[in-house]
Order: sequence, then structure tokens, then C-alpha cells
Amino acid sequence: KAGVTQTPRYLIKTRGQQVTLSCSPISGHRSVSWYQQTPGQGLQFLFEYFSETQRNKGNFPGRFSGRQFSNSRSEMNVSTLELGDSALYLCASSLGRTGVGNSPLHFGNGTRLTVT
Amino acid sequence: AQSVTQLDSHVSVSEGTPVLLRCNYSSSYSPSLFWYVQHPNKGLQLLLKYTSAATLVKGINGFEAEFKKSETSFHLTKPSAHMSDAAEYFCVVGREGNNYQLIWGAGTKLIIKP
Repeated sequence: KAGVTQTPRYLIKTRGQQVTLSCSPISGHRSVSWYQQTPGQGLQFLFEYFSETQRNKGNFPGRFSGRQFSNSRSEMNVSTLELGDSALYLCASSLGRTGVGNSPLHFGNGTRLTVT
Repeated sequence: AQSVTQLDSHVSVSEGTPVLLRCNYSSSYSPSLFWYVQHPNKGLQLLLKYTSAATLVKGINGFEAEFKKSETSFHLTKPSAHMSDAAEYFCVVGREGNNYQLIWGAGTKLIIKP
């Protein structure tokens, strides 16, 4: 079974631009969560999608948004990029919603975004 | 409110010696607890999880963790370290409530000396 696939692996953008990251979950998984990982703040939860609906959201500004398609694939968008958005963005999928039946999270290898 | 503290940012051990990575949590309810591992330039992988079934939890790659309610701890151990164990380890607690979330510790970098 293929794992969680994130594309692209690396991205370099300029301040003010916008970016879209993609995540394909493990086949059959309906929940997709997004995390931001930085050396200073550690791992921070962005949002969770389940059945094409955002079910949970972390404390990030509205510049960070996402969506999930009917095939469970998910995209994350960041608009008006700032230098502080440079981070590793991780996507995780699970069979059920996070916390329901304690479905474990399966992570992709991440997209490393650098904002210059 | 739930929180998790990993007591060491770095732990260095020699190959073949025991590993101890410490984690304390705070939770109003009986918590769900997890350990994840992240190898360089990789995503995170679940090592083990505690969900109130047994206090000693066995995970992958020879790791195990013991849930101690009286000490609010969930320390990760391994009897004998291998070079391949060098990675960053995260202790995680599930936050109960309407919006269930995973609260992540800051991570402990495990260094294995040959």
C-alpha cells in the first residue's frame, strides 16, 4: 500500500507570493491533517479535513487555508507569504477522524517551504 | 488542559546501552498518549500508543513505554540502542473535548555514539 505522498518536496517562494501544497493520503483514509514544523515552534497543528469538511483548526491566521476533495486528496494554500512561513509542512492521514478510535496518524515526508 | 513536556532536548548514548527518553504530561482525563519518531528529512512514524488497556506498551523497533499515572509520566525506553535509532522523538497527548487535538512535545533528539 502506498504511503502518504506530499508534493512538491521542496519549494522556494518570495515574500508576498502564494503557494499550494498537495497531499495524497493512504488509500481508504478519509482524514487528512496538516502540521507546520519549525525549529523554534516545533510541530503545530494547522487543520484537519474529513469527508471534504474542515473538522478542526489550529491557531493560524486566515492566510492558511485548505480543502479536501472527494477522493480524500487535500491541498493547503498559504497566501501573502511571510518570511516566518518558512517551515516543513507535514500532512498526515488516518482511517477515521483524529481521536476517534485512536486512529493512528500516517505522515508524509513533508514539503519544505523556504520564503525569501 | 492537556500539555506535554519532554524533559530533555538532547540525549546521547553509546551503541548497545539503554535508552531513556522522558515525558511528563498533564491531563484532566485519562489521556491518550503516543510516541512518534522522525528520522532526518522524513515524516513522523508512530512508535507506540497508550489507550488505557495496559500500562506497559510495546512498540516497534524494540521500544516500549510505561504509563505511570501517579507520576504523570510516559517515558520511552529501549534496552539496547542501535545506530539506526538516531532520530528525533516526540511525545504526544490527545486533548479531549469537542475539538480533539494532538498536543505535541518539543521533541528529544537521540544521538547514538559508536
